Amino acid sequence: DTEVTQTPKHLVMGMTNKKSLKCEQHMGHRAMYWYKQKAKKPPELMFVYSYEKLSINESVPSRFSPECPNSSLLNLHLHALQPEDSALYLCASSHVVVAGELFFGEGSRLTVL
Amino acid sequence: AQSVTQLGSHVSVSEGALVLLRCNYSSSVPPYLFWYVQYPNQGLQLLLKYTSAATLVKGINGFEAEFKKSETSFHLTKPSAHMSDAAEYFCAVSPGTASKLTFGTGTRLQVTL
Repeated sequence: DTEVTQTPKHLVMGMTNKKSLKCEQHMGHRAMYWYKQKAKKPPELMFVYSYEKLSINESVPSRFSPECPNSSLLNLHLHALQPEDSALYLCASSHVVVAGELFFGEGSRLTVL
Repeated sequence: AQSVTQLGSHVSVSEGALVLLRCNYSSSVPPYLFWYVQYPNQGLQLLLKYTSAATLVKGINGFEAEFKKSETSFHLTKPSAHMSDAAEYFCAVSPGTASKLTFGTGTRLQVTL
């Protein structure tokens, strides 16, 4: 069982819709991440939050808007997406000082029509 | 800058045979190296990590990897493959901070009877 929970597992949305992906962890981690993974590709880093503050934005288009309401929760707000944004969106968390040891959720598979 | 190269996008072995998945790294600083596994329709799970302690690292599910600085390699091995090992395997490198984890392109392991 994963200790990082992502909802929903599947999401289908139109290009004019607004939706959100949610992520929750209760391991006391203070770093949380959003990754995007296309089929047969490695995960690509989108955003990093450290102590609830956005520390890294990998030049992600503004139609993706992250939010970290508290140390356990991470949201990704979606608006006016394009079909090429269809992918598996993975949330992860880690201890801030432990290099590279990420705990991933099972992902939210997004389809944009 | 850090990067990893995984040789072979697809590896097929017979059940009970040795598993060898290759990873070479490039790093301007002493690297932290990781192997992650991704089963179908799931997130990534950490198999093992090298963080400058012992060069032979043992991980979960019987996997191990050896850090060889002279060869800039961190190959993943398992003495005897099991059907349940079929998955996508990602090598990853970090300069020592949790946030900047760079993944290789992945190797799909197929295990046949």
